[in-house]
Amino acid sequence: DQQVKQNSPSLSVQEGRISILNCDYTNSMFDYFLWYKKYPAEGPTFLISISSIKDKNEDGRFTVFLNKSAKHLSLHIVPSQPGDSAVYFCAVNFGNEKLTFGTGTRLTIIP
Amino acid sequence: GAGVSQSPSNKVTEKGKDVELRCDPISGHTALYWYRQSLGQGLEFLIYFQGNSAPDKSGLPSDRFSAERTGGSVSTLTIQRTQQEDSAVYLCASSLSRGLAGVNEQFFGPGTRLTVL
Repeated sequence: DQQVKQNSPSLSVQEGRISILNCDYTNSMFDYFLWYKKYPAEGPTFLISISSIKDKNEDGRFTVFLNKSAKHLSLHIVPSQPGDSAVYFCAVNFGNEKLTFGTGTRLTIIP
Repeated sequence: GAGVSQSPSNKVTEKGKDVELRCDPISGHTALYWYRQSLGQGLEFLIYFQGNSAPDKSGLPSDRFSAERTGGSVSTLTIQRTQQEDSAVYLCASSLSRGLAGVNEQFFGPGTRLTVL
């Protein structure tokens, strides 16, 4: 039973354009939603998060949107840069400390 | 400041052997987690330590897997009688306890790539 789904395993975007990464979840009780970025041979690094009481959080080029009625989370990167090429994981947090991760989306920025 | 470190970075072993993977969390972080990422899969939770509390072992796939955390710091993940399906990248993360509220930002190590032949 996958509680967090990233249905697009890969995405290619032209440099300078907007990248939109999507994530769906099943449990409406999740209270925090996070995005992690992973380069090859490195551990994931935290990117941005959003509380369930908000619907948008922005940090520089990165914005996370939360649609609770649709149980949908998205990450917007604009403008996209070559260094953004990585695998992006969404993760959810509920009550306790452990995170449940999606399967990841490989983003490739085309120069 | 030092981040989360893991050793070894790569481990190749033969089926049936035991392996030990080590994690050094960030100093002062009370919570420590083990995850694994199999080829083409997301991060799968294995086990979680929080301070002196009993660990949450709900993600361990079988009784061949065990982990301990000594002195509230270093952790060792042990896999006994390894199988080929154990091949994966094993990731350790640590965090400050988020207390009553707040986001649980976990800091990950680089992982140990385990290959079971």
